Amino acid sequence: QQPVQSPQAVILREGEDAVINCSSSKALYSVHWYRQKHGEAPVFLMILLKGGEQKGHEKISASFNEKKQQSSLYLTASQLSYSGTYFCGTFDNYGQNFVFGPGTRLSVLP
Amino acid sequence: NAGVTQTPKFRILKIGQSMTLQCTQDMNHNYMYWYRQDPGMGLKLIYYSVGAGITDKGEVPNGYNVSRSTTEDFPLRLELAAPSQTSVYFCASRQYSGTGYEQYFGPGTRLTVT
Repeated sequence: QQPVQSPQAVILREGEDAVINCSSSKALYSVHWYRQKHGEAPVFLMILLKGGEQKGHEKISASFNEKKQQSSLYLTASQLSYSGTYFCGTFDNYGQNFVFGPGTRLSVLP
Repeated sequence: NAGVTQTPKFRILKIGQSMTLQCTQDMNHNYMYWYRQDPGMGLKLIYYSVGAGITDKGEVPNGYNVSRSTTEDFPLRLELAAPSQTSVYFCASRQYSGTGYEQYFGPGTRLTVT
């Protein structure tokens, strides 16, 4: 079952912060975050494996609450280069079949 | 190290025609995936492979076939193309990074069926 993401879209000014949420009705064993710029392929950002785990990538960090079956991606002091669509995703129980969320479109304006 | 390569980059097909989308990776990854992405939408898994000779269906396999005769190549075959197959197709391979599996994507093939 596909994860759910919110919001669908967000517009920021450079330097502002944003939070993107990902949740699932099924148990999540891991959450993967990807960013896709317009006309390009998705690029891996980070994986979260443990409950409550937080990770960082540049000024982008994420948390994972496995009990609530949700993950959040935090973009701090956003830059123009952060614009794109952010997808969360997860593997099935066997670690083979991968399902992406519908994506959150982030636009950072100068 | 070229990573994941896909050919062609663009293709226009007529309804009922067939074609093969090529995908090659030079990273010796066992797992490979085919996704489709419709305009403004997320990626949906078509087929995946856990190694040479082993393939399995994903979420949207109808109208497609795959084969995996070598570790490097994972072609996707479209038989009897339909307008609903107009999409961007991405191939990916994955590796274990120490904390989990990362997927590496090819640049995509943009397919239009008219």
